[in-house]
Amino acid sequence: DVKVTQSSRYLVKRTGEKVFLECVQDMDHENMFWYRQDPGLGLRLIYFSYDVKMKEKGDIPEGYSVSREKKERFSLILESASTNQTSMYLCASGGWGQKSQKLFFGSGTQLSVL
Amino acid sequence: AQTVTQSQPEMSVQEAETVTLSCTYDTSENNYYLFWYKQPPSRQMILVIRQEAYKQQNATENRFSVNFQKAAKSFSLKISDSQLGDTAMYFCATDNNNDMRFGAGTRLTVKP
Repeated sequence: DVKVTQSSRYLVKRTGEKVFLECVQDMDHENMFWYRQDPGLGLRLIYFSYDVKMKEKGDIPEGYSVSREKKERFSLILESASTNQTSMYLCASGGWGQKSQKLFFGSGTQLSVL
Repeated sequence: AQTVTQSQPEMSVQEAETVTLSCTYDTSENNYYLFWYKQPPSRQMILVIRQEAYKQQNATENRFSVNFQKAAKSFSLKISDSQLGDTAMYFCATDNNNDMRFGAGTRLTVKP
């Protein structure tokens, strides 16, 4: 089975801290994504990456950065955490099969910023 | 950018009955892909069904089927013979050149 592993299921941080959310996939997928999920807003794309060291901004990149040094790992970084970044963060990876992309998701990280 | 709209925040259905979840989207592209994902209480997102926009035939996966109306940019999900395990959040999504966008979700409750 494909696995997308997020390093933490729950995380509590303080305002101003630097926060790293890690995501690892084991399917050699080219594409990886970071979303945040908020009630009533669904999933909003923060960043995605289609290759090592490549990244593209999504809809809400402000306050976030990403790193993809290796194909299997895509990290989301909150440079200075703020309370409005309290949310569920979902990582996903996808590969192309039958000309369409199927995403595999991690179990999510519920981040609380106090 | 593409936008995806799910106008039903919550729905409920009796076990064994049929329910339809609505989704509309906006894209300027002609070739794209559409998906329905399910997120049960475990939070694990699971692909339910996938539709390629250039195919006119509606996709089906067992009890799940879609009604794809390309001109109207509508992509609804029909769940037949609803089961308790279908209780979840359902997200409609579009994919255009690696750019995946999701709707706000519909919370479906299947009642015994």
